[in-house]
Amino acid sequence: RKEVEQDPGPFNVPEGATVAFNCTYSNSASQSFFWYRQDCRKEPKLLMSVYSSGNEDGRFTAQLNRASQYISLLIRDSKLSDSATYLCVVKILTAGNKLTFGGGTRVLVKP
Amino acid sequence: DADVTQTPRNRITKTGKRIMLECSQTKGHDRMYWYRQDPGLGLQLIYYSFDVKDINKGEISDGYSVSRQAQAKFSLSLESAIPNQTALYFCATSDGTSGEQYFGPGTRLTVT
Repeated sequence: RKEVEQDPGPFNVPEGATVAFNCTYSNSASQSFFWYRQDCRKEPKLLMSVYSSGNEDGRFTAQLNRASQYISLLIRDSKLSDSATYLCVVKILTAGNKLTFGGGTRVLVKP
Repeated sequence: DADVTQTPRNRITKTGKRIMLECSQTKGHDRMYWYRQDPGLGLQLIYYSFDVKDINKGEISDGYSVSRQAQAKFSLSLESAIPNQTALYFCATSDGTSGEQYFGPGTRLTVT
């Protein structure tokens, strides 16, 4: 089983709609959680950190459920520019603070 | 100018050749990383370095070696390239506190 698993998608989303997707992690020692965004053939970039109480950044909302070991990302009022692959990333304290990346969820926003 | 640069950006090489990928950063970070990305598999850590004298193997270090020439430079070598090393390679840096990593633009390597 992969340490960090994501639905690869694609999630086809009409412009203006809301889309949400999850990521599950298997290591209960996971300490910190992030969502990165990766455009086609480009480098990943940090979208947002995920805090225990949940957090928002504009149209993006991230949630953490430690009991069920998953995190989620919700995008409201989707824009064409939101089309990208979203990478779920977990930092495990006992693994030397290295980051473990999920395979990514592809989102396609269409007019 | 980009904070993390990689050279070359694209490379085609033949099986058995030695190849070096280079990474430089101007962010002043101590920590540097090399990843490879294959379609659908996410990023896999090859090697990482927390300072100039510290080199650690990642998940998939076989067939690769690294050199940390200075705080700002971290190079990845494929001693004898094989076709299944065809992938997109990323270098990244971090300050070790926030968890955020800053990635270079990637090197697309094809081994024929």
